[in-house]
Amino acid sequence: SQTIHQWPATLVQPVGSPLSLECTVEGTSNPNLYWYRQAAGRGLQLLFYSVGIGQISSEVPQNLSASRPQDRQFILSSKKLLLSDSGFYLCAWSMTPRGNTEAFFGQGTRLTVV
Amino acid sequence: AQSVTQLDSQVPVFEEAPVELRCNYSSSVSVYLFWYVQYPNQGLQLLLKYLSGSTLVKGINGFEAEFNKSQTSFHLRKPSVHISDTAEYFCAVSETTSGTYKYIFGTGTRLKVLA
Repeated sequence: SQTIHQWPATLVQPVGSPLSLECTVEGTSNPNLYWYRQAAGRGLQLLFYSVGIGQISSEVPQNLSASRPQDRQFILSSKKLLLSDSGFYLCAWSMTPRGNTEAFFGQGTRLTVV
Repeated sequence: AQSVTQLDSQVPVFEEAPVELRCNYSSSVSVYLFWYVQYPNQGLQLLLKYLSGSTLVKGINGFEAEFNKSQTSFHLRKPSVHISDTAEYFCAVSETTSGTYKYIFGTGTRLKVLA
């Protein structure tokens, strides 16, 4: 069966520090991968999605970047964190290439920038 | 681009009462719709999905939803809620862009079940 791992679960980082959140999927190949951010009262905002290694699409211009160095690995990064980067970050995957299937979510990372 | 509207940010309901959580989406030729549940500090878990076929979809934990194309709605219902149903519920639609699919979410409805 397929599983998705996301870590760390919680993170407290000072303003201006770098960020690296990692997500890996097991039990499937060539998944679509997604990074979402959840802020209080704002639902889930799609940040990045990827259809293959090295292929990243950005939804919202901002202080973050994403990379997919391996088929089942998706990394969210920042060179210098801002206070506004605080939030709950969720990684997800779905089967490709069809849209008639659900997205599967990791357990999330609670990021607090202080 | 697709959009999803969940008009109710919070819904309080007494235990064993029925509940309906509303969801409307922007129209499209074809659409795939989903309801997810999120418990505090956890990821999202799929409740149910509409892909095609019967407009009444049954999901886990006794939830069901009805797809209404003319009203572009996909409301979630449960005839009798339990305390354990207290959580946040998200409606989502998948959207195709350049051959790949993205999932667009509503802002969520916080269901609070009262004893």
